[in-house]
Amino acid sequence: IAGITQAPTSQILAAGRRMTLRCTQDMRHNAMYWYRQDLGLGLRLIHYSNTAGTTGKGEVPDGYSVSRANTDDFPLTLASAVPSQTSVYFCASSDSSGSGTDTQYFGPGTRLTVL
Amino acid sequence: GQNIDQPTEMTATEGAIVQINCTYQTSGFNGLFWYQQHAGEAPTFLSYNVLDGLEEKGRFSSFLSRSKGYSYLLLKELQMKDSASYLCAVRDSDYKLSFGAGTTVTVRA
Repeated sequence: IAGITQAPTSQILAAGRRMTLRCTQDMRHNAMYWYRQDLGLGLRLIHYSNTAGTTGKGEVPDGYSVSRANTDDFPLTLASAVPSQTSVYFCASSDSSGSGTDTQYFGPGTRLTVL
Repeated sequence: GQNIDQPTEMTATEGAIVQINCTYQTSGFNGLFWYQQHAGEAPTFLSYNVLDGLEEKGRFSSFLSRSKGYSYLLLKELQMKDSASYLCAVRDSDYKLSFGAGTTVTVRA
């Protein structure tokens, strides 16, 4: 089934630990995004990638890093987790070819708790 | 940057109509999206407006006025399954989305 998968579904992490959230899409979309969603704040963009090999910073990039080695995968790494990074993380992708609406489609999310 | 405002909560009765307003201030406008998000799930795409006017999709319609920085999502013939959060998102000239905090709609029998 085409779409976006994220792993893990949920994770409890000790502060100071390193954690990588995985995101894979099979729609051959060239653009991918990472958001965090916190109560009352809505979705906020962390990092994005317009195409394989390129990445950019979003609204809240501090404490996070990403890589885009190929079209399908876009992992998000927390080098040293802090409690303020407790959130629900969503990965999204879009065609971004200019031929359509470039709608972003979202993965199921990862619920991360940092203690 | 974007500043997007939408009401926090709305309640309506099954079978009724609800209108969710969204106002925005933007440094570069390149489209407005509405997403639906059920509790514990991912946002799912509902509608897209880039030109002024009304877009209709079954029971859902979305309206845009670019000069007023205003959009609304209209949900008709409400069903219990429409209880969800509705997210307004504005795309800028760099193709980045900025989201409002969402409007939680509760449908009562």
